Amino acid sequence: GQSLEQPSEVTAVEGAIVQINCTYQTSGFYGLSWYQQHDGGAPTFLSYNALDGLEETGRFSSFLSRSDSYGYLLLQELQMKDSASYFCAVSGSGGSYIPTFGRGTSLIVHP
Amino acid sequence: GAGVSQTPSNKVTEKGKYVELRCDPISGHTALYWYRQSLGQGPEFLIYFQGTGAADDSGLPNDRFFAVRPEGSVSTLKIQRTERGDSAVYLCASMREQGGTEAFFGQGTRLTVV
Repeated sequence: GQSLEQPSEVTAVEGAIVQINCTYQTSGFYGLSWYQQHDGGAPTFLSYNALDGLEETGRFSSFLSRSDSYGYLLLQELQMKDSASYFCAVSGSGGSYIPTFGRGTSLIVHP
Repeated sequence: GAGVSQTPSNKVTEKGKYVELRCDPISGHTALYWYRQSLGQGPEFLIYFQGTGAADDSGLPNDRFFAVRPEGSVSTLKIQRTERGDSAVYLCASMREQGGTEAFFGQGTRLTVV
């Protein structure tokens, strides 16, 4: 089986930097991905890490440490529109490619 | 189509009734997933199709739930004898192929059982 832990809520101000952590337990590992979901909307893909290190895509970066079973999503230059839920998802348990999602982190950005 | 399409967007049904939820994935995507999401929770895996076959249905909660994908594109999730606890948003996602890194989600079907 697998399990993921992430904070339930994070708050920050516009223009700041915020980091959302994710720790996971899994019997096998292919990759860690991140999704953003606005209220009432569909989850949308942000990033995928299969190897250790930092992946940068614009204002968003994602980090993975396989030895620590840990990753994080880093959001820079926060904007009001970044207020949303952020989910980490892991694939690879039992050799399966099916992404298993965490419970999500609600990010609230204040002006 | 341009994205994953799910119909209906909302469904209200009476306890005990049968419902069908439809998912039209991105054309050419061979991998299709159904998830269920309750308020304040992450998507919970239900079933995975690779092509026409259900490759993994370990997430289906009980035998009232069934899904098909007869031609390897459109999929239908079927729920018999609905219960109030089945109320949730049912999400469908597709990937280009098995082992893909990016899942494309539909807007979901909000099912309410009264």
